[in-house]
Amino acid sequence: GAGVSQSPSNKVTEKGKDVELRCDPISGHTALYWYRQSLGQGLEFLIYFQGNSAPDKSGLPSDRFSAERTGGSVSTLTIQRTQQEDSAVYLCASSLAPAPGVFFGSGTQLSVL
Amino acid sequence: AQKVTQAQTEISVVEKEDVTLDCVYETRDTTYYLFWYKQPPSGELVFLIRRNSFDEQNEISGRYSWNFQKSTSSFNFTITASQVVDSAVYFCALSGTDSWGKLQFGAGTQVVVTP
Repeated sequence: GAGVSQSPSNKVTEKGKDVELRCDPISGHTALYWYRQSLGQGLEFLIYFQGNSAPDKSGLPSDRFSAERTGGSVSTLTIQRTQQEDSAVYLCASSLAPAPGVFFGSGTQLSVL
Repeated sequence: AQKVTQAQTEISVVEKEDVTLDCVYETRDTTYYLFWYKQPPSGELVFLIRRNSFDEQNEISGRYSWNFQKSTSSFNFTITASQVVDSAVYFCALSGTDSWGKLQFGAGTQVVVTP
């Protein structure tokens, strides 16, 4: 597609449930990133994929968070046993190389009740 | 460790005024990348510019201009003749060349442009 696509745009879930967030990067982009934006913490890096491998998972906040990427394209971020502090906007980004830049999707607003 | 400081939390201007957003960074890397993003009320992060640390030329794109000063570790952004559509949160970000998409963001500066 023309840009990074994320679904759903909004997700409301109950505490303790699992959620899956999807990211479809710009076609041909080999690098994919997940970020989280919350009021208290700002914009935080979560995980980076190059192709299907994740050389940097350093930003995942706990073992309840995991992500995978298949076919060098679509990625899913899974949060197990959601907690209220997981409420945030989850942003996906992709890039081909440093140039021209790193491009973000519109995000998934996650609300954990 | 990398750090980006945007000391201005909010800037309010009247349309047609110029506005300059400050960005100061810290890094131990000898080469790195600097970025600016715009986040309008709709929420999407819009890429504005990426700058290599070895390229200190200032850049102008329409009403936007960027001043990179490696000596003071600053990468400031100026909007000339601001418009209401410029109202947004602007983020400065930094990455190293070993993982250039792993961005360290500043806290952001809210720009409010009133007619």
